[in-house]
Amino acid sequence: QVQLVQSGAEVKKPGASVQVSCKASGYTFANYYIHWVRQAPGQGLEWMGCINPIGAGVMYASKFEGRVGMTRHTSISTANMELTRLTSDDTAVYYCAREPLASPGPLDLWGPGTLVTVSS
Amino acid sequence: QPVLTQSPSASAFLGASVKLTCTLNSGHSSYAIAWHQQQPEKGPRFLMKFNTDGSYTRGDGIPDRFSGSSSGAEHYLVISGLQSEDEADYFCQTGGTGIRVFGGGTKLTVL
Repeated sequence: QVQLVQSGAEVKKPGASVQVSCKASGYTFANYYIHWVRQAPGQGLEWMGCINPIGAGVMYASKFEGRVGMTRHTSISTANMELTRLTSDDTAVYYCAREPLASPGPLDLWGPGTLVTVSS
Repeated sequence: QPVLTQSPSASAFLGASVKLTCTLNSGHSSYAIAWHQQQPEKGPRFLMKFNTDGSYTRGDGIPDRFSGSSSGAEHYLVISGLQSEDEADYFCQTGGTGIRVFGGGTKLTVL
């Protein structure tokens, strides 16, 4: 079954860091970028960045530069996203999604999301 | 950078058809567009993508009640034979070799 499975919900204190993982199955991991998108409560979708599974090149939205890191482990078809220096504004559901390397642009598969709550 | 504009809300009756619009700002006509559906309390689901040649490709399992078209900078998602489960937020999305961008979303109410 073609799917993305994400790690479980997290509760963090302000100033801490959080890591969310995304495991791909049912397709060739190396053929797709992995993107990270978040959605704050009641808000729209916000693109955070992406990683190329080949060579691990990354691109981040300027808003998150210096605070986000994206990595991948091709041997286990897993991508990770770490966000540091958390504030309450980072409370959101974080989604991973894939995009074909062969046809850049549209994201064609989403993970179920990981709720990250930042609270003192 | 590309900017996508969507109306915040739309409504239509059960069994009817509705056309949702997504407008891409000028200078980015070569970018492919995708539509995603987000039902209440669920994550997004890929519906379809528009190719630069004007064709579109539906995602796996997406019924043919969902179709698309485009005219210039405007891209349309048409849902025919509306069902109650079609009540959802619909986001368009684009991006090429640079950043990816989402429209603000249209909340569709099925009356």
